[in-house]
Amino acid sequence: EPEVTQTPSHQVTQMGQEVILRCVPISNHLYFYWYRQILGQKVEFLVSFYNNEISEKSEIFDDQFSVERPDGSNFTLKIRSTKLEDSAMYFCASSEGTLGDTQYFGPGTRLTVL
Amino acid sequence: DQQVKQNSPSLSVQEGRISILNCDYTNSMFDYFLWYKKYPAEGPTFLISISSIKDKNEDGRFTVFLNKSAKHLSLHIVPSQPGDSAVYFCAASAPNSGNTPLVFGKGTRLSVIA
Repeated sequence: EPEVTQTPSHQVTQMGQEVILRCVPISNHLYFYWYRQILGQKVEFLVSFYNNEISEKSEIFDDQFSVERPDGSNFTLKIRSTKLEDSAMYFCASSEGTLGDTQYFGPGTRLTVL
Repeated sequence: DQQVKQNSPSLSVQEGRISILNCDYTNSMFDYFLWYKKYPAEGPTFLISISSIKDKNEDGRFTVFLNKSAKHLSLHIVPSQPGDSAVYFCAASAPNSGNTPLVFGKGTRLSVIA
C-alpha cells in the first residue's frame, strides 16, 4: 500500500541553525501539506502546496518557513533559523485532490531545537 | 480557538464492548469530517470519514455518525479490540468553501482492556 515517507525520523539542531525536513508524498497525489504537533498540543496546519506553489498557509507559517518541491518526488520544509519553540513533531501529508479527499500522513519528523 | 473539541481526554473500554468517541465542532462551514488513529511515534492513520451530506458512514467495525444540527460527530468501534488502543483524533475541513486544511481536536486516548 502506498504511503507517505519522511526523513529524518529525528533531527536535533542548535537554535539559529537551518533545518530541512524531507517528505516523499504518495506518487499520484497532487496536494501536499505540512502540519506540526508540539508536545501535548493539537496537530496544527502549517501550509498546503499545489501545482508548485503555496495554496494556503497558517499564521504559524511565517517568513522563517519555506516549502519546495525540488524534484518530482520530494517535498521539503525548511526552517531558516530555528527557535526553541519550533521543537515539535512535523507531519507531511498528501491527498489526490482537494474537495473532500482524504489526507494521508507520514510518520513524522521529531525536531528538537537545543 | 477550539473549533474542534474532543472533551474526553481518555476512555477505557472492555474488549468486545462498544467504544464511543465524541467530537464537537463550532464552525458551521465544516463539511467534511475525518477520524484518525495515532500510535506513539507514528503519524496519524486515516480511519474513516463522512461528508455533511450524510449522517452515517460505516466501515467494518467503525461507524461515524454526524449530527449537523448539534454540530456533533461520534465514532463507534464495535467490538473493541486491544489493538484499537491508541489516540483518536477528530478532524474537520471545509473543502466546499475552498478551505482544505484539517482542523484537529486534541484527541482521546482509548484503552481497550482485555
